[in-house]
This record gives sequence, structure tokens and C-alpha cells, in this order.
Amino acid sequence: EPEVTQTPSHQVTQMGQEVILRCVPISNHLYFYWYRQILGQKVEFLVSFYNNEISEKSEIFDDQFSVERPDGSNFTLKIRSTKLEDSAMYFCASSDPSGGGDIQYFGAGTRLSVL
Amino acid sequence: TQLLEQSPQFLSIQEGENLTVYCNSSSVFSSLQWYRQEPGEGPVLLVTVVTGGEVKKLKRLTFQFGDARKDSSLHITAAQPGDTGLYLCAGGIDDMRFGAGTRLTVKP
Repeated sequence: EPEVTQTPSHQVTQMGQEVILRCVPISNHLYFYWYRQILGQKVEFLVSFYNNEISEKSEIFDDQFSVERPDGSNFTLKIRSTKLEDSAMYFCASSDPSGGGDIQYFGAGTRLSVL
Repeated sequence: TQLLEQSPQFLSIQEGENLTVYCNSSSVFSSLQWYRQEPGEGPVLLVTVVTGGEVKKLKRLTFQFGDARKDSSLHITAAQPGDTGLYLCAGGIDDMRFGAGTRLTVKP
């Protein structure tokens, strides 16, 4: 069964460093998303991406964050200068336009630890 | 921002019991999704409800979407230890918002 894959599973970085989280969405999907989940808290929407541009973004997704689809398969989330409070699980999701874009399938996540 | 409130926050029951968890909002949603999340993993989609009043069954799980499309419920019949997990509802499309979830524990 097709799945969304995320790498790495765990990323440890120093405060102030740049990190890039990588996702390979399901191959025929055209809508892509990033979410984060701070330990013990709810899953929070960060950004949605379609047709090579951001569709929606939340208040969390500030200038420190950016997304890119550098090729036909990868979808990345970059955090320019990490802060301690960026430590969280980051989930990528993708959806199928033929389903109206409603059904999002999630990857297993990348755990980001900022020291 | 469309907020989703889930209740109860925690639920601990014995194997074989029935339970219902709720997802409520003051906003109307075109659809609501129910996910289950295991520790350290991503949410896994259980069902999407689209039509007001819709009822969907997934084995022992019954999902209902309110007539006004503001609320939804998940009913589990004869719960099993394997049902233990975090149940999340989510709504919205381009900017999907999650509830905080109901953490269910089913004791053998």
C-alpha cells in the first residue's frame, strides 16, 4: 500500500542551526501538508502546498519556516534558525485530488530535538 | 479559526464495554475525519464523514456526523485492548485542524 515516507525519523540539532525535514508524498497526490505536534499537545497545522505554492499557512508558520518541492518526489520543510520551542514531531501528509482533497494520509513523522 | 473540542479527554474502560467519544464545534465543516494515533507515530485515518446525519460503520466502530455538520461521534462496541490509542477528529481541508483527542485505554 502506498505510504508517505519521512526522513530522518529523528533529527537532533543545536539551537540556531538550520534543519531540513524531508518527505516523499504518495506518488499521485498533488496536495501536501506539514503539521507539528509538541509532546503531549495536539496536532497543529503548519502549511498546505499545491501547484508549487503555499495554499494556506497557520500563525505558527512564520518567516523561519519554508517549504519546497525541489523535484517531482520530495517535499521539504526548512527551519532556518531553530529554537528550543521548535522541538516537536513534524508530520507530512498528502492527499488525492480525485477525493476532493479531503483525505490526508500521514507519514510516521520526524522527531526534531533542538538542544 | 475553527476549533474542535473532543470529550472525554481520557477514558479507561474494561474489555467488552461500549463507549462513545465526541467531537464538537461551533463551526460547520464540509467534512470531518477521525484518526487514530499510536505513540511516536503519525495519525492513521479511520473514516471521513461528509453528509449531515451520515453514519458509517467500520467493524465495531460506528461514526456519526451531526445533522448540522458541527459535531461527530465515535461509538465502539465491545471494546478490546487493541482499541487502546488516541482518537483524533479533524476538520477543514486546506488548513485541517485537529481536536486534542480522546485517549482511550481498554483494560483486559
